Amino acid sequence: QKEVEQDPGPLSVPEGAIVSLNCTYSNSAFQYFMWYRQYSRKGPELLMYTYSSGNKEDGRFTAQVDKSSKYISLFIRDSQPSDSATYLCATPRGAQKLVFGQGTRLTINP
Amino acid sequence: EAQVTQNPRYLITVTGKKLTVTCSQNMNHEYMSWYRQDPGLGLRQIYYSMNVEVTDKGDVPEGYKVSRKEKRNFPLILESPSPNQTSLYFCASSFAGSENTIYFGEGSWLTVV
Repeated sequence: QKEVEQDPGPLSVPEGAIVSLNCTYSNSAFQYFMWYRQYSRKGPELLMYTYSSGNKEDGRFTAQVDKSSKYISLFIRDSQPSDSATYLCATPRGAQKLVFGQGTRLTINP
Repeated sequence: EAQVTQNPRYLITVTGKKLTVTCSQNMNHEYMSWYRQDPGLGLRQIYYSMNVEVTDKGDVPEGYKVSRKEKRNFPLILESPSPNQTSLYFCASSFAGSENTIYFGEGSWLTVV
């Protein structure tokens, strides 16, 4: 079993829709979770960072962690075509070791 | 501007011909690492370095070497590339203990034929 699992999609939604991206993880010792956004032919850039359970909001983005079910979510409200990218969930495992999900490719259609 | 710079960005090479992908960061970060990204597998760590002359294997180190002689540079060496090393490679860096602020380079597309 992979340590972090993510549905690779692709996911295609109309502009303005609410997008839900999800990951599951296997190790209950994981405490920090990140969401990275990766545009085509670019490196991943950190979008959101959360610690422990609960919600964290940043503009149109909300990251949610449910440790009881080992579930991580990223919600995008009022989605825009510029949100079209691959979204990767990740968690640290040791010193500067990030374990990534497979990434979900998202397309927002105008 | 804070940057992680990789070169080359795109390379096609032949099996067995040694190559080096350079990585340089201008943020005085202690930690640097290399990842490869493959379809369906996500990003996997190849090697990492916690400081000058301190390196260790990641999850997929076979066929790769690294060195960290200067704090800002962390080259990835493929001594004898094989087609299964065709991938997209990313260099990353961060301050010690700052796993939540890791900066990635723009990526190096490597094709081995």
